[in-house]
Amino acid sequence: EAGVAQSPRYKIIEKRQSVAFWCNPISGHATLYWYQQILGQGPKLLIQFQNNGVVDDSQLPKDRFSAERLKGVDSTLKIQPAKLEDSAVYLCASSPTGAGGYTFGSGTRLTVV
Amino acid sequence: GQQVMQIPQYQHVQEGEDFTTYCNSSTTLSNIQWYKQRPGGHPVFLIQLVKSGEVKKQKRLTFQFGEAKKNSSLHITATQTTDVGTYFCAGGGSNYKLTFGKGTLLTVNP
Repeated sequence: EAGVAQSPRYKIIEKRQSVAFWCNPISGHATLYWYQQILGQGPKLLIQFQNNGVVDDSQLPKDRFSAERLKGVDSTLKIQPAKLEDSAVYLCASSPTGAGGYTFGSGTRLTVV
Repeated sequence: GQQVMQIPQYQHVQEGEDFTTYCNSSTTLSNIQWYKQRPGGHPVFLIQLVKSGEVKKQKRLTFQFGEAKKNSSLHITATQTTDVGTYFCAGGGSNYKLTFGKGTLLTVNP
């Protein structure tokens, strides 16, 4: 079974620039999550999708972050404009239904300078 | 909102010693999950506990879920260098939303 694919693996941008991350979950997994993990901390949920609908985006900074999962399969997360404090690893995870363990991708390490 | 606290933040042990990390939630949980993250890696799912008072074992790892479903622990017997990493608990709430603790970083001296 292929895992959760994420790209790019690393990204360095200047503050106020925009950036986009891509995630392709495990085939057939209905639930997809984007997490932000700042160095030394636990992952923080940004947004949760069930198929192509948003279940929870209460912690997504909507003035600068956006995410979509148009066809209920792959997803993109965008930041515009980026701030220094957005430097983190952005993890995508998926699960078959939401119940049970998540499978995480390798993440995108974002550095904002 | 739901908060999940984990202690200790760091633990250094000699190989062969035991290790325990504790997790406490501010609210009653529907389930608790445990993940391991190797340095430079991503979280990997270890186990899920659902029932009050549940105990599960995976080789040298023992996981417990408290009677009130607000706390949990992970105990590793006779640590090995391969156990190195950060162990996260994650509390399950409504809509299958998981809230992660800050993790316990385990280092093992060979």
